[in-house]
Amino acid sequence: KAGVTQTPRYLIKTRGQQVTLSCSPISGHRSVSWYQQTPGQGLQFLFEYFSETQRNKGNFPGRFSGRQFSNSRSEMNVSTLELGDSALYLCASSLRGSGASYNEQFFGPGTRLTVL
Amino acid sequence: AQSVTQLDSQVPVFEEAPVELRCNYSSSVSVYLFWYVQYPNQGLQLLLKYLSGSTLVESINGFEAEFNKSQTSFHLRKPSVHISDTAEYFCAVYNTDKLIFGTGTRLQVFP
Repeated sequence: KAGVTQTPRYLIKTRGQQVTLSCSPISGHRSVSWYQQTPGQGLQFLFEYFSETQRNKGNFPGRFSGRQFSNSRSEMNVSTLELGDSALYLCASSLRGSGASYNEQFFGPGTRLTVL
Repeated sequence: AQSVTQLDSQVPVFEEAPVELRCNYSSSVSVYLFWYVQYPNQGLQLLLKYLSGSTLVESINGFEAEFNKSQTSFHLRKPSVHISDTAEYFCAVYNTDKLIFGTGTRLQVFP
């Protein structure tokens, strides 16, 4: 099976712009989670989508949003970019909904966003 | 709220020496614990996990970690490191369908 893919891998934007990142989960996986990784704050959970619905949300401002499509692919959007949004954005997919109390998350390579 | 503490931000070690990367967690309920590794310009790879059962868990490349409930720790060890083990290591706890990560430990292996 192909792993989790994220596009683009690298992105440069300027302050005030908006950006959309894409994540394709492993085939059969219905849950997609997004994490932000920065040197200062480390790895932080953004949100999780399952069956096109946001099921879980971290502590980020409303400028960060996401969605999931019927094929489980997910996008996250950041509006009005700030310098502090420069980060590696990681996507992870899992089966979820299997009834298990734990669903292993498989990570993609990430999208490196630089805000100038 | 659950949290994970990795006390060492960097651990330098010579090749073939043993290493321990420390991880402590806070939780009053059952925990699922993980170690992830991140190589430069890559995503996270699961190294090993503790879900239940034996408190000692091992990875395929020689790492092991021991779940210690009384000390709320999940330290990662390897008896003999290799240059290729140079990477950043993250300890994490799974809580309500999301991972809570520690701040990471950069393992630097010198020849």
